[in-house]
Amino acid sequence: AQKITQTQPGMFVQEKEAVTLDCTYDTSDQSYGLFWYKQPSSGEMIFLIYQGSYDEQNATEGRYSLNFQKARKSANLVISASQLGDSAMYFCAMRPPFSGGYNKLIFGAGTRLAVHP
Amino acid sequence: EPEVTQTPSHQVTQMGQEVILRCVPISNHLYFYWYRQILGQKVEFLVSFYNNEISEKSEIFDDQFSVERPDGSNFTLKIRSTKLEDSAMYFCASSVTSGNEQYFGPGTRLTVT
Repeated sequence: AQKITQTQPGMFVQEKEAVTLDCTYDTSDQSYGLFWYKQPSSGEMIFLIYQGSYDEQNATEGRYSLNFQKARKSANLVISASQLGDSAMYFCAMRPPFSGGYNKLIFGAGTRLAVHP
Repeated sequence: EPEVTQTPSHQVTQMGQEVILRCVPISNHLYFYWYRQILGQKVEFLVSFYNNEISEKSEIFDDQFSVERPDGSNFTLKIRSTKLEDSAMYFCASSVTSGNEQYFGPGTRLTVT
């Protein structure tokens, strides 16, 4: 069964600094997708970035980049130039392959990020 | 920018009552989902829906739960007889195709007393 592990329950970073949020996953499949979502204190879930398992380049979206290391089964989120508005809960999620659970996301426990001025 | 909407934002109900949570997915999306998040815990998949039928469901999604797309825009989650442990935030999501990023609504906080 697939599993997502986020080992950092909480992180803090100084404004304008970069921060890396860790995510490791466990799957025996070769085809899968990896996602990061942000959940501010208001509660909504905001899609940030996606990485397909066959994508050769790391995904980037503005200040977000995904450090994808397939052999290590890790998909860390890097936020550059942190802003106060980045303070939120961050969830890593995996979409299993077509053969098993393609139509769902499996979430990790999340990392709470606090950006300090 | 199109977004998923959910109503109500907060629902309080008594144990044993039926509740219907409503969602309007993004208009050109074909796949719809429900997730729940018990306070302080991870987000859990409940069910996915495509072409007017359930495509996948979790073990949480038992006979007390049902989903429906009653018209061309709404997508509903019904809980027939609520239990205390059903108290959670319920998120609706949609995606253009299966496997793509899913866009979440703001959630409905369900409180069962």
